[in-house]
Amino acid sequence: DARVTQTPRHKVTEMGQEVTMRCQPILGHNTVFWYRQTMMQGLELLAYFRNRAPLDDSGMPKDRFSAEMPDATLATLKIQPSEPRDSAVYFCASGFDRSYEQYFGPGTRLTVT
Amino acid sequence: SQELEQSPQSLIVQEGKNLTINCTSSKTLYGLYWYKQKYGEGLIFLMMLQKGGEEKSHEKITAKLDEKKQQSSLHITASQPSHAGIYLCGAAKTYNTDKLIFGTGTRLQVFP
Repeated sequence: DARVTQTPRHKVTEMGQEVTMRCQPILGHNTVFWYRQTMMQGLELLAYFRNRAPLDDSGMPKDRFSAEMPDATLATLKIQPSEPRDSAVYFCASGFDRSYEQYFGPGTRLTVT
Repeated sequence: SQELEQSPQSLIVQEGKNLTINCTSSKTLYGLYWYKQKYGEGLIFLMMLQKGGEEKSHEKITAKLDEKKQQSSLHITASQPSHAGIYLCGAAKTYNTDKLIFGTGTRLQVFP
């Protein structure tokens, strides 16, 4: 049963600390998306990659957020330094080329105090 | 910028009842996607509509896209507790892109 996995599932950290979230896309998928979900803003696209190359990161605060794909099986989203307003659920999703079906991971619930 | 509005924001229905969720856009939609989310979990893809007037069904869920491609509805027939969750519509921002924007979501509760 192919699934997108995300670690950690929950993270509580203090303001100013670095946070790294990891995503393993479904094997064979070449497109990876990072989303953030909050009550106020809903679900927002932060960045996405195809074949490990960043295609769009316009939704991501550049000063503190960074997204990378060290290899085809791992995508990372890093926040440094974290702030309370970053508290949200961060989802990773994967797909193949421009297939309309994106497969979502279970999310990382981040709380910054 | 394009926004998607969903209505109602929340819905509580008795098991067995039919219900409809709407998704409206201020601009023409280049692909409309319906997802379901259970609390604490990721989104599950339900259906995708592309052509004006298109209608798709999966089990007891039917989705339609109007001719102008600015409004979509999701209809559940004979609702069950398993249908409970948050339903989100998503849309491609431009033609031939996989960048999606999402609606505000509709929280559905089904009680026995």
